[in-house]
Amino acid sequence: GDKVKQSPSALSLQEGTNSALRCNFSIAATTVQWFLQNPRGSLMNLFYLVPGTKENGRLKSAFDSKESYSTLHIRDAQLEDSGTYFCAAPRGSALGRLHFGAGTQLIVIP
Amino acid sequence: EAAVTQSPRSKVAVTGGKVTLSCHQTNNHDYMYWYRQDTGHGLRLIHYSYVADSTEKGDIPDGYKASRPSQENFSLILELASLSQTAVYFCASSENQDTQYFGPGTRLLVL
Repeated sequence: GDKVKQSPSALSLQEGTNSALRCNFSIAATTVQWFLQNPRGSLMNLFYLVPGTKENGRLKSAFDSKESYSTLHIRDAQLEDSGTYFCAAPRGSALGRLHFGAGTQLIVIP
Repeated sequence: EAAVTQSPRSKVAVTGGKVTLSCHQTNNHDYMYWYRQDTGHGLRLIHYSYVADSTEKGDIPDGYKASRPSQENFSLILELASLSQTAVYFCASSENQDTQYFGPGTRLLVL
């Protein structure tokens, strides 16, 4: 089964509203990475997390390794936030290799 | 910020032909990766490398070869391109198990 499950699979947000994306792990994740693939296809790093939280502008991410999940909160959604958000976690001892989730497709509506 | 470049950015190839996708990074990262992404799906690992002159198979290596002639360069080779290899290919690099930095992607269409 999926080692990294993302929810929801798709989401529409009104501009200016808030939402949260979730990533659940069926593996013992020690770190998590969040990426955004914009509508042009470019993949951008958002966060690299050990257990705890990080914030960057309107984005905030939390990672709870004991409960095996991570969240990405988007505050005051803007049109440029549209795209597909991926989370990924390391594959145990396989150095550098990641399990990727299937992604959450976000559309921000004016 | 890591700089990972890919060439070509897009390519049309004929079935049975040879295709080479190139990746170059300028951040002294030891780890490099090749992924493919099919429309509407996530990333799947094809090959990766920990060090120059050495490559490892990922999850879907069949039909692909990889070459890491130097720390900066990592190539993906399709010896006999097939229709099923039409996809977008991403290269990435990382320092150990740290954040992976992705290139802009190469759109490959095999006809």
